[in-house]
Amino acid sequence: GENVEQHPSTLSVQEGDSAVIKCTYSDSASNYFPWYKQELGKRPQLIIDIRSNVGEKKDQRIAVTLNKTAKHFSLHITETQPEDSAVYFCAASDTGRRALTFGSGTRLQVQP
Amino acid sequence: NAGVTQTPKFQVLKTGQSMTLQCAQDMNHNSMYWYRQDPGMGLRLIYYSASEGTTDKGEVPNGYNVSRLNKREFSLRLESAAPSQTSVYFCASSLGGNREQYFGPGTRLTVT
Repeated sequence: GENVEQHPSTLSVQEGDSAVIKCTYSDSASNYFPWYKQELGKRPQLIIDIRSNVGEKKDQRIAVTLNKTAKHFSLHITETQPEDSAVYFCAASDTGRRALTFGSGTRLQVQP
Repeated sequence: NAGVTQTPKFQVLKTGQSMTLQCAQDMNHNSMYWYRQDPGMGLRLIYYSASEGTTDKGEVPNGYNVSRLNKREFSLRLESAAPSQTSVYFCASSLGGNREQYFGPGTRLTVT
């Protein structure tokens, strides 16, 4: 099955700085890579996703890049704000299971 | 639309007791999933149902059983609870394996 590794496990930035979270995946057949945000005590919610036929996707302050050759993808958050503080999970489609495999999460703390 | 709903929100069990976690979705999704979330471990797939009438094991199925009752409902059963099953359980649904997953609010289960 698919294996997804996520780094770093914790990240602290100053308000206004950029934050980058990186993930690698093992299954070259994976074709869907979503990112979820989970605020404390809440459910995970999708913030952005990318498919394997696209190299980069942006939505306001967040962007995701995908390098299929190297099998890694990254989340970029610019001009961070305190409300960006949360746990972020990357995931990759597991074509064998027809499900998603999640990374272990990154706790982002934005210091005001 | 209520989205994905789960009951109960909280539960405390003694070792050896059994219980069923209920999940329902009103988005006409084909696929449904059960995850457990433990600190530092991300979201681990317990069981999933790619379509009505099918269920498959995920990454951590031992100690659990599931039933896809109909297209809307997917239940998770613990036959003999163990302290290692103390966790937060999330149900999710999606149109398919490589589509956005929508999560329920979670069930916090403690086994003493």
